[in-house]
Amino acid sequence: KQEVTQIPAALSVPEGENLVLNCSFTDSAIYNLQWFRQDPGKGLTSLLLIQSSQREQTSGRLNASLDKSSGRSTLYIAASQPGDSATYLCAVYPQGGSEKLVFGKGMKLTVNP
Amino acid sequence: NAGVTQTPKFQVLKTGQSMTLQCAQDMNHEYMSWYRQDPGMGLRLIHYSVGAGITDQGEVPNGYNVSRSTTEDFPLRLLSAAPSQTSVYFCASRGGGGGNQPQHFGDGTRLSIL
Repeated sequence: KQEVTQIPAALSVPEGENLVLNCSFTDSAIYNLQWFRQDPGKGLTSLLLIQSSQREQTSGRLNASLDKSSGRSTLYIAASQPGDSATYLCAVYPQGGSEKLVFGKGMKLTVNP
Repeated sequence: NAGVTQTPKFQVLKTGQSMTLQCAQDMNHEYMSWYRQDPGMGLRLIHYSVGAGITDQGEVPNGYNVSRSTTEDFPLRLLSAAPSQTSVYFCASRGGGGGNQPQHFGDGTRLSIL
């Protein structure tokens, strides 16, 4: 059974730091991996999607990498801002086209001014 | 473009009552899913649909029913509410394209069962 882990569960940093958020998964047979952001009381917003054949994706100050063989992904946030404060979740789609997206429990990020 | 719309936003039920959580998307997406989010458990898939008329079970389907009569709508029915179903429920949709389309989420329905 696929399991997705995000450690630590929470992180508090001063504004301006470059951050690395970690995601690990137990079964390397994935179709893709997605990173989401969730603000309090809101739904999830997709940040980046990395296909299994890709190594990384970039969007603005965000860069996500994928190493399938080691079962790891990282989300890099450059020059963090207070507006980046949110919970960040990663999720994997299993191979075979199933809709059964498996989520990590998320990491709550606080960026202090 | 409204995206994924969930109603109601909040609901309180008594044990044994039934209700339907509504979900509608205006992006002509084939795939729709229902998740529940509980503290310490993360998001868990309840049911999903790969197109009108086609639904399947996720990880935690017991106590819930779904149907998909149109592309736009994917309601979730609680048959006989139990306190264990107190949770935040999210509906999501995505387009086709072999699984490499991102999920779009609604803002959730916060449900309390007394």
